[in-house]
Amino acid sequence: NAGVTQTPKFRVLKTGQSMTLLCAQDMNHEYMYWYRQDPGMGLRLIHYSVGEGTTAKGEVPDGYNVSRLKKQNFLLGLESAAPSQTSVYFCASSFLQGGYNEQFFGPGTRLTVL
Amino acid sequence: KQEVTQIPAALSVPEGENLVLNCSFTDSAIYNLQWFRQDPGKGLTSLLLIQSSQREQTSGRLNASLDKSSGRSTLYIAASQPGDSATYLCAYGGSQGNLIFGKGTKLSVKP
Repeated sequence: NAGVTQTPKFRVLKTGQSMTLLCAQDMNHEYMYWYRQDPGMGLRLIHYSVGEGTTAKGEVPDGYNVSRLKKQNFLLGLESAAPSQTSVYFCASSFLQGGYNEQFFGPGTRLTVL
Repeated sequence: KQEVTQIPAALSVPEGENLVLNCSFTDSAIYNLQWFRQDPGKGLTSLLLIQSSQREQTSGRLNASLDKSSGRSTLYIAASQPGDSATYLCAYGGSQGNLIFGKGTKLSVKP
């Protein structure tokens, strides 16, 4: 099993450009999440999904959109990138059952917006 | 506001020492608490998960405890090794499954 994979691993964008980050998991998890990690801020939740076809906003959703068309994939889109979106993006997945919710993380995507 | 505080922010110890990392949180209605390890430039590796009904979990040299009433968790590392050097993150799970993270404790174990 590959677990949680993310593509790409690195990306440099210019302000105003768009891109999509792909997250895939092979553990048949219902829940998927996108976080960003910034120095001194810790990890913060951007968007999440509790199942195929559903999405919800997290703590810092502005400037991002997401889609969950297939259970195993969760896409994070930046329509018009800004320097403030320079960060490391992590995807995670889990199943939530009776209070048990162990999240598994991907290796991250390092994004720089110039 | 939901917050997680980890103390200390950084810790340096000689090899072989036992150590304790602290985590405190403001929300008493947590579903679970998870400890992670993060190596520089890498993703997060899950170490231990404690469900809200549990008091502690153990894995090898690691032991994590949870006290919901006081809003605290500790991660105990026995007989530390240089390979334990990393940043340790504490996070608690809310009702929607999302995790609220602390900023981490950066641990350095000197040979």
